[in-house]
Amino acid sequence: QQQVKQSPQSLIVQKGGIPIINCAYENTAFDYFPWYQQFPGKGPALLIAIRPDVSEKKEGRFTISFNKSAKQFSLHIMDSQPGDSATYFCAASSLRAAGNKLTFGGGTRVLVKP
Amino acid sequence: EAGVTQFPSHSVIEKGQTVTLRCDPISGHDNLYWYRRVMGKEIKFLLHFVKESKQDESGMPNNRFLAERTGGTYSTLKVQPAELEDSGVYFCASSHGLTRTDTQYFGPGTRLTVL
Repeated sequence: QQQVKQSPQSLIVQKGGIPIINCAYENTAFDYFPWYQQFPGKGPALLIAIRPDVSEKKEGRFTISFNKSAKQFSLHIMDSQPGDSATYFCAASSLRAAGNKLTFGGGTRVLVKP
Repeated sequence: EAGVTQFPSHSVIEKGQTVTLRCDPISGHDNLYWYRRVMGKEIKFLLHFVKESKQDESGMPNNRFLAERTGGTYSTLKVQPAELEDSGVYFCASSHGLTRTDTQYFGPGTRLTVL
């Protein structure tokens, strides 16, 4: 049973386009939602994270939108560049639970064409 | 500052053999996590060490998997005997503390193939 569902599995956009990746969760105890970016041959690296007390967070060209009532959150990559081509993972954890273990979505492979 | 390192980067073994994966966390990080991604699915939590103690091993699939972190520094994950379904990428991550938003830093992973 997958606790964090991520879609789509893959995405192709032209340079300058806005890839959007969606995630939905079931566990209401989750209160921390990071996004990780992974390039081939590398490990996932934290990109941006949000707490459920805010509905949107921006860092550079990356924006997270959060809908607590729907238990959904999404990543938008504004003005996407070929260097943004990577696999993106949404994740969730409960900061109130011991250990901060992350529950990941299935990942989205994003390809930005020049 | 060196990041999380993992060894080997790739391992190909036959069913029934034993494999040991190693993770060196970022120096000074008390928390060490093991995760696994199987066949392009989601990355799944295996276990969590705080220093040398196992904090949470709820994600370990079965008793063929044994993790250790002697001295609270590097960690090893042994699979014995390996089965076909153990194939996947094993990631190690470390974090400094358990504050509210402490970042987990991931290593590049070990790709394990069991034939």
